[in-house]
Amino acid sequence: SQQGEEDPQALSIQEGENATMNCSYKTSINNLQWYRQNSGRGLVHLILIRSNEREKHSGRLRVTLDTSKKSSSLLITASRAADTASYFCATVPLSQGAQKLVFGQGTRLTINP
Amino acid sequence: GAGVSQSPRYKVAKRGQDVALRCDPISGHVSLFWYQQALGQGPEFLTYFQNEAQLDKSGLPSDRFFAERPEGSVSTLKIQRTQQEDSAVYLCASVVTGSQPQHFGDGTRLSIL
Repeated sequence: SQQGEEDPQALSIQEGENATMNCSYKTSINNLQWYRQNSGRGLVHLILIRSNEREKHSGRLRVTLDTSKKSSSLLITASRAADTASYFCATVPLSQGAQKLVFGQGTRLTINP
Repeated sequence: GAGVSQSPRYKVAKRGQDVALRCDPISGHVSLFWYQQALGQGPEFLTYFQNEAQLDKSGLPSDRFFAERPEGSVSTLKIQRTQQEDSAVYLCASVVTGSQPQHFGDGTRLSIL
């Protein structure tokens, strides 16, 4: 069973606009990661935020983490057509010895030219 | 190659047949994970290897699913007596060690008729 939920399930915006995706999870975590998946391809790691971090940036990506609310958000600024993909948050639960990932259901992002 | 390689990319089998899916991880990566991804869903953990040792197989749906990594590099996921509900994309990921991000292959899309 999956750890959490992502919101929205689908998002369609114009190129150049910002896209925000949210993720909620259920258990205490070691870290939270965001991945991108293009249609028919594997997942590509975007960014990792540890449980003791609140915000992290990488290029046009900004991730926040609120462990008290068990939620995270991914902001993509100045979106491009190439950003069209599904985005998944994945947690590493604190109880896990191995780094197995527990994924949300994903947000399908469409950037319209 | 530099990435995780999975074969075949597509597999069609009749219900009741056995199938074998292969994963070539990135050279030197100690940990290897298998995930199952149903259509429109996030990946779900199946099993995990550290070198040749299978340390966690809690996600395997039934005893029809079997995975091995005999020499600590290439891994094979075998499904016996396939059922229609086994239709999914099977993703393999490898990690250097510890809490580093996982590197995913493009998956094998399995269709059971």
